[in-house]
Amino acid sequence: RKEVEQDPGPFNVPEGATVAFNCTYSNSASQSFFWYRQDCRKEPKLLMSVYSSGNEDGRFTAQLNRASQYISLLIRDSKLSDSATYLCVVNSGGYQKVTFGTGTKLQVIP
Amino acid sequence: DARVTQTPRDKVTEMGQEVTMRCQPILGHNTVFWYRQTMMQGLELLAYFRNRAPLDDSGMPKDRFSAEMPDATLATLKIQPSEPRDSAVYFCASGLARTGPNEKLFFGSGTQLSVL
Repeated sequence: RKEVEQDPGPFNVPEGATVAFNCTYSNSASQSFFWYRQDCRKEPKLLMSVYSSGNEDGRFTAQLNRASQYISLLIRDSKLSDSATYLCVVNSGGYQKVTFGTGTKLQVIP
Repeated sequence: DARVTQTPRDKVTEMGQEVTMRCQPILGHNTVFWYRQTMMQGLELLAYFRNRAPLDDSGMPKDRFSAEMPDATLATLKIQPSEPRDSAVYFCASGLARTGPNEKLFFGSGTQLSVL
């Protein structure tokens, strides 16, 4: 089983829709979690951290479920500019080894 | 804006040749990561340095790959000899590891490597 797993998609959604991605992780001792965004042929960029109590940043909401070992990202009122690959990231080692999921591709359609 | 600088942006080489990729982490960052990204495998961790010391290179083929940090402003990844299966995008990322685990990584723009 991979350390971090994501549905590769693609998720094709109309503008204005709400879309949610999940990501599961295998190491119950994982301590920190992030969502990164990667545009085509570009480097990954940090989108947001994921806190235990859940957190929002504008149209984006991230949540953590430690019991079921998954994190989620919710995007409300999707924009064309949200089209990208969203990478789930987990700190999985005692010395801060950071593991990336393979990403979920989102395509927002006009 | 502070950024991670990687060179070269693109590299095309023939099988058997040595390839060297360079990375300048963000000033003040104390961790450096090398990742390889392919369509099939996604981002794979190759090597990880903290305070210039290698902490994890288990993801790196030891027979042909080597990673070093000769000083705090330079990290290198070498492949010798290169093979076609090494063709991928290689990313360097840096971060600031403090006492807690909430390390955010900042990526360079990557080196697109093609081995013919």
